[in-house]
Amino acid sequence: QQQVKQSPQSLIVQKGGISIINCAYENTAFDYFPWYQQFPGKGPALLIAIRPDVSEKKEGRFTISFNKSAKQFSLHIMDSQPGDSATYFCAATTSGTYKYIFGTGTRLKVLA
Amino acid sequence: KAGVTQTPRYLIKTRGQQVTLSCSPISGHRSVSWYQQTPGQGLQFLFEYFSETQRNKGNFPGRFSGRQFSNSRSEMNVSTLELGDSALYLCASSFQGASGELFFGEGSRLTVL
Repeated sequence: QQQVKQSPQSLIVQKGGISIINCAYENTAFDYFPWYQQFPGKGPALLIAIRPDVSEKKEGRFTISFNKSAKQFSLHIMDSQPGDSATYFCAATTSGTYKYIFGTGTRLKVLA
Repeated sequence: KAGVTQTPRYLIKTRGQQVTLSCSPISGHRSVSWYQQTPGQGLQFLFEYFSETQRNKGNFPGRFSGRQFSNSRSEMNVSTLELGDSALYLCASSFQGASGELFFGEGSRLTVL
């Protein structure tokens, strides 16, 4: 019940295309859902996050879509660029637990 | 503002040895978390400290331990190392550790031979 299932494991997209990464969870107590981006040799960095009281959040080319009833959320990267090539992790946490549950990651490669 | 600093960045140990990893959080951050990152497993939560108190602990054996000092710096220790402990150990700091942004260091890459 504590898992966050992430798919796909890897993704190849053409420059200018849309990258979509999906995550699903079971624990309805989760109340914060961030996405982290990690480049090789670096630690993960927060990209965008959402709380379950909204269905969508957009920041530049990055959008989170959140479906509370389906217990799913997804990251959309519009106009994907080679510089977006990285590993993306979805995560979830419950306030007061101080513990984040991460998905297993999606390795994105954007072809120039 | 300096980021999260982890030392050492790389280390090689043999089975049965122990290792201590260090983390200096961003100035002003009082919460420090530790995660183990392995290929295919993502990031697994080890523990979280705030003001020298452990507030939560992940599902790791007792060989994994940690502590936080009064200046918010943190250390984690792994005793009796096993081959499966080879991983990237990431430290993250945040202001209070509530549902907010985690700032990760670049990690300590541990190889157990």
